Amino acid sequence: EVQLVESGGGLVKPGGSLRLSCAASGFTFSIYDMNWVRQAPGKGLEWVSYISYRNGFITYADSVKGRFTISRDNAQNSLYLQMNSLRAEDTAVYYCARGRDSNGWYDHWGQGTLVTVSS
Amino acid sequence: DIQMTQSPSTLSASVGDRVSITCRASQSISSWLAWYQQKPGKAPKVLIYKASSLESGVPSRFSGTGSGTEFTLTIGSLQPDDFATYYCQQYDSYSRTFGQGTKVEFK
Repeated sequence: EVQLVESGGGLVKPGGSLRLSCAASGFTFSIYDMNWVRQAPGKGLEWVSYISYRNGFITYADSVKGRFTISRDNAQNSLYLQMNSLRAEDTAVYYCARGRDSNGWYDHWGQGTLVTVSS
Repeated sequence: DIQMTQSPSTLSASVGDRVSITCRASQSISSWLAWYQQKPGKAPKVLIYKASSLESGVPSRFSGTGSGTEFTLTIGSLQPDDFATYYCQQYDSYSRTFGQGTKVEFK
């Protein structure tokens, strides 16, 4: 069974940093594209970042470019999101999601981890 | 970025109703569209990909149509488990974008 389990969320002050992790199991992590998608409280879904399995190609949403860094460790079956210079508007549940069909759509999602940015 | 607009924002319906949700893209996305269902406090679940392909395990009462800029998700006969929020998502451009969501609620 495919499982994605996020961790690392919590309360952080504006300007602070946090590192999210996503532990993958039940599939060959090293051959799948992976993503972070977030959802602010009561709001819709927003794609945040993508990392390719093939060549490590990485993209970010404009809203987080220059502040967030996605990475992966295929040996540990893990995906990460380093979040720096956090803002109130980054408050959201962060999901890791597995990409399908050249990372077009997302067939498995974790349960999410809540990040709250507040003083 | 490609903007995705769903209508309606809220839909009131009864068990057994046939319901349709529309998603419009700000530019042509061919058939590069997925639909998701999300229940409160849960992660989204994919229903449809490539506009009309049903994901494995999804009931056949869900169907998707459309191409270019206009797409529709139809639930053939609404079941109690289907009351949820539905999102469309385009994957034509590198910057994937979602619609704002359509909440299907009890009439």
